[in-house]
Amino acid sequence: KAGVTQTPRYLIKTRGQQVTLSCSPISGHRSVSWYQQTPGQGLQFLFEYFSETQRNKGNFPGRFSGRQFSNSRSEMNVSTLELGDSALYLCASSLHQRGTGETQYFGPGTRLLVL
Amino acid sequence: SQQGEEDPQALSIQEGENATMNCSYKTSINNLQWYRQNSGRGLVHLILIRSNEREKHSGRLRVTLDTSKKSSSLLITASRAADTASYFCATDAEGGSYIPTFGRGTSLIVHP
Repeated sequence: KAGVTQTPRYLIKTRGQQVTLSCSPISGHRSVSWYQQTPGQGLQFLFEYFSETQRNKGNFPGRFSGRQFSNSRSEMNVSTLELGDSALYLCASSLHQRGTGETQYFGPGTRLLVL
Repeated sequence: SQQGEEDPQALSIQEGENATMNCSYKTSINNLQWYRQNSGRGLVHLILIRSNEREKHSGRLRVTLDTSKKSSSLLITASRAADTASYFCATDAEGGSYIPTFGRGTSLIVHP
C-alpha cells in the first residue's frame, strides 16, 4: 500500500496570505490527524477528522481549519498567515479513530515558510 | 505545556552501545507511544504500551512503563548509525481525551 502523502512538500508564503495543505491517507484509513511541529513548541496536535467529521481539536486559533472528504482525503487551511505559522505540518492516518491505541502512520510533512 | 518530556535532550554514543531515553508525563494515561523522526521528516511509530502493561519488546527495542512514577523508558540495544534520529514519546490521556501530547524529543546520534 502507498503511504500517507502530503502536498505540497514545501511552500513559501507571505504574512496575511492563506494556505491550503493536502493529505491523502493510506487506502482504507478513515482517520486523519494534523500536527504542527516547530523548534520552539515541538509537536502539537491540531485536529483529527474521522468520517468527514472533526472529532478532536487542539489548542489553535480559528485561523486553522480543516475538512475531510468522502474518500478520506483531508485538507488543512490556515488563513491570515503569521510569521509564527512557519513550521512542518504533519498529517497522520489510522484505520479507526485515534485514541484507542491505534497506530498512526505519518506523512513526510509540508514545510511552510512564512515571510 | 508538554505532557511528555524526554530526557536527555541529546545523546551521543558509539555504534554497538545501548541507548536509553526516558519520558515523563503529568496526567494519567491510556497508553504511551514512542516514535522516531529522521531529520525534518515524518514520524515513524515504534511501539505502543498500554497503561496496564509494564514492558514491551520489539526487535532491538525495549519499552518500560511505570505508571506510579508517570514515566517510560525506551532502550535501543546494539545501536547502529541508522538509529540516528529524534525520538518522541506521546501520551493519550485517560478519560477519553484523545488529544495526544508529545514531548520535545531526544536527539540520538550514533557514531559509526
